[in-house]
Amino acid sequence: GAVVSQHPSWVICKSGTSVKIECRSLDFQATTMFWYRQFPKQSLMLMATSNEGSKATYEQGVEKDKFLINHASLTLSTLTVTSAHPEDSSFYICSARAGAGEVETQYFGPGTRLLVL
Amino acid sequence: GQNIDQPTEMTATEGAIVQINCTYQTSGFNGLFWYQQHAGEAPTFLSYNVLDGLEEKGRFSSFLSRSKGYSYLLLKELQMKDSASYLCAVLDSNYQLIWGAGTKLIIKP
Repeated sequence: GAVVSQHPSWVICKSGTSVKIECRSLDFQATTMFWYRQFPKQSLMLMATSNEGSKATYEQGVEKDKFLINHASLTLSTLTVTSAHPEDSSFYICSARAGAGEVETQYFGPGTRLLVL
Repeated sequence: GQNIDQPTEMTATEGAIVQINCTYQTSGFNGLFWYQQHAGEAPTFLSYNVLDGLEEKGRFSSFLSRSKGYSYLLLKELQMKDSASYLCAVLDSNYQLIWGAGTKLIIKP
């Protein structure tokens, strides 16, 4: 199957700092990438949908100025958590849709654990 | 509203068979996915059904009935490594993935 990488896998930072997470599709071009957040023992929560070359579409309740998404190329999307606070501590997972068809499978990156102290 | 229901937790014995059900009510339907998620890891793709019937892939099979808004994931010859959460997700008319909360499967020796 298609491979998606995420970097870093673990981040520990102080409150008020910004953290950037990268999501890369390694062996395919992804016109659409998705960013999810998952709190312990809870289901995946879609944060935003990112299309290459255009602005991300954010889900209701997700602050676009706090969670900056850039999808500059067909293989890279970045999520920047600005001025992170302890409540932002979570497991952030990206996924990429292989192919141009809208029903193509989403392949997930390994996730990034963020701990804000 | 859109809704996907699956049991919160199930327990099964190593070597046995288990069926995880998923019912859905969504605005439109463009397919149903099953993903496996081990604790602390990201989900991995298991199956995709868009037509009625059974799709078999090794020890795992997935069934879909669109008229009933129902799917199940069947796991045979259970192994300890199958202990994980199993997520059901439906692609709606806007091609948005609607996720279930997941079913935690516990395998006992």
